[in-house]
Amino acid sequence: GDSVTQMEGPVTLSEEAFLTINCTYTATGYPSLFWYVQYPGEGLQLLLKATKADDKGSNKGFEATYRKETTSFHLEKGSVQVSDSAVYFCALSDQGGSEKLVFGKGMKLTVNP
Amino acid sequence: NAGVTQTPKFRVLKTGQSMTLLCAQDMNHEYMYWYRQDPGMGLRLIHYSVGEGTTAKGEVPDGYNVSRLKKQNFLLGLESAAPSQTSVYFCASSEGETRTDTQYFGPGTRLTVL
Repeated sequence: GDSVTQMEGPVTLSEEAFLTINCTYTATGYPSLFWYVQYPGEGLQLLLKATKADDKGSNKGFEATYRKETTSFHLEKGSVQVSDSAVYFCALSDQGGSEKLVFGKGMKLTVNP
Repeated sequence: NAGVTQTPKFRVLKTGQSMTLLCAQDMNHEYMYWYRQDPGMGLRLIHYSVGEGTTAKGEVPDGYNVSRLKKQNFLLGLESAAPSQTSVYFCASSEGETRTDTQYFGPGTRLTVL
């Protein structure tokens, strides 16, 4: 079945450090790929998405590129801020119409001033 | 707009008790979802609905029932709670299909079953 594997952390960075969170997937078709973020005490919210190969999603300084050849969707940010402290989830939705988002286990990021 | 709201925010049950979690959205979305979040496991889909009066099973439906009598509401029921159902429950909604449309999540309900 479909699955998502991502770095689990937790990870602690200093402000202005470079961030990469690795995400790889297994899917039978051509899935859409997502990054969701969960701030402390809140529900998840969409950070960015890509619906086909070579698409780049971007938002709030975060970027991720849909790489079909390596089945990856790594999240990057050049300079993190304290306000980026959160749990980050990689997810996919396949094309089979199941309406299911398959999530990775999530990675907790803490950014210190 | 309030977005997606969930009631209650916290609940403690004894094994065997029943309860209903309410999800409401004011965005006129067709699709609604119930997930559970457990430590180290990400989120897993329990049930979902693609429109008023419809429901479908997700990845982990056993022990739960749902109803979508009104477009804006999606109820999750536990008929006989078990300790394994201790979790954080999230409701979400979207305009259309998961592949292309953003899911909007509520703040969650933390349920403890003793």
